[in-house]
Amino acid sequence: EPEVTQTPSHQVTQMGQEVILRCVPISNHLYFYWYRQILGQKVEFLVSFYNNEISEKSEIFDDQFSVERPDGSNFTLKIRSTKLEDSAMYFCASSEGTGALVYGYTFGSGTRLTVV
Amino acid sequence: LAKTTQPISMDSYEGQEVNITCSHNNIATNDYITWYQQFPSQGPRFIIQGYKTKVTNEVASLFIPADRKSSTLSLPRVSLSDTAVYYCLEQTGANNLFFGTGTRLTVIP
Repeated sequence: EPEVTQTPSHQVTQMGQEVILRCVPISNHLYFYWYRQILGQKVEFLVSFYNNEISEKSEIFDDQFSVERPDGSNFTLKIRSTKLEDSAMYFCASSEGTGALVYGYTFGSGTRLTVV
Repeated sequence: LAKTTQPISMDSYEGQEVNITCSHNNIATNDYITWYQQFPSQGPRFIIQGYKTKVTNEVASLFIPADRKSSTLSLPRVSLSDTAVYYCLEQTGANNLFFGTGTRLTVIP
């Protein structure tokens, strides 16, 4: 079964540092997403990405966050200057498409980001 | 932004059938009903999706009445490995998924 791959599985960073979380979506998928989950809380939508641009973003996704698809396979989330409250599991997801049909999302296993 | 209502937690013994019901009081005509499962420290996993009536796959069944104001996820003969959080969501093609708090299912030996 195809998988969404995320690296690293765990990242520890000092407050104020930049981090880049990496994802390899499923190869024939067209829509890409980042979600986060603070320990013990809900899975929260951050951003969706299609056709090399952001489709939608949440209030959480402020100027400190950016996404990029630097090549045909990787999809990255950058946090420019991390804060303690950015500590969370970050999940990447992809789906085949949208439109008349509704497709399930495939989520990766996540990157646990710890800001110290 | 979660639009659904479901029980916070449920317990079940191994081997039992478990039914988790979700309320969709404001579901839109174009919305599909989708269920996801999440194990600790893992990403959510798509289980099943439907629009109306009954859908069955190798993992679960999904019952949606004619008025579509509720849905019931049915897990036959649960095992300890089914202990997880189960989310019901409403999804329209172009819309993103918004998760609620889900139902924490604990399977007891």
